[in-house]
Amino acid sequence: AQTVTQSQPEMSVQEAETVTLSCTYDTSESDYYLFWYKQPPSRQMILVIRQEAYKQQNATENRFSVNFQKAAKSFSLKISDSQLGDAAMYFCAFLSNFGNEKLTFGTGTRLTIIP
Amino acid sequence: DADVTQTPRNRITKTGKRIMLECSQTKGHDRMYWYRQDPGLGLRLIYYSFDVKDINKGEISDGYSVSRQAQAKFSLSLESAIPNQTALYFCATSDRGSESYNEQFFGPGTRLTVL
Repeated sequence: AQTVTQSQPEMSVQEAETVTLSCTYDTSESDYYLFWYKQPPSRQMILVIRQEAYKQQNATENRFSVNFQKAAKSFSLKISDSQLGDAAMYFCAFLSNFGNEKLTFGTGTRLTIIP
Repeated sequence: DADVTQTPRNRITKTGKRIMLECSQTKGHDRMYWYRQDPGLGLRLIYYSFDVKDINKGEISDGYSVSRQAQAKFSLSLESAIPNQTALYFCATSDRGSESYNEQFFGPGTRLTVL
């Protein structure tokens, strides 16, 4: 079974600065997907960014980028130029490319933006 | 209009009551999921369905049942609610036939309180 670990329950960053959220995972599979989801106070789950394990290039989406280290099983999220609207819970998630395709989530990191 | 809707959005019920949470989607996706979110635990999969005739248990299915009435509708039932089922419940969908089949789209969530 896969596990996803987010070791930072809470993080804070000054507005306009850069912050990195950590995520590690454990799996014996070689083909999978990794995701970062954002959950603002509205509680809606919003996909921030996705990484395919077979791609060596790190995914980027505007101010959001990842550092994917497959051998280390690490998948961190970097938020550049932090904005007040980035304040939310962030969840890292793993999806196997085999079997039931269920998402396995980490326990989340609460990000606070300091004005 | 939202692509994935959940009703009710909030519900308070008493121990022993039967309750149904409903999920509808207009995305035309074949796969639907029910997750539960508890503070500090992330989201965990309760049940998932790959089509109307294919329903599978997730990691925490005890105490729950589901019904896939149509491709667009997936209901979650608590036959006899208990207080430790107090949580935020999410429905999600995905489409195996699309380019982004590995992405799951979430509904707005149902906050359930069992007294």
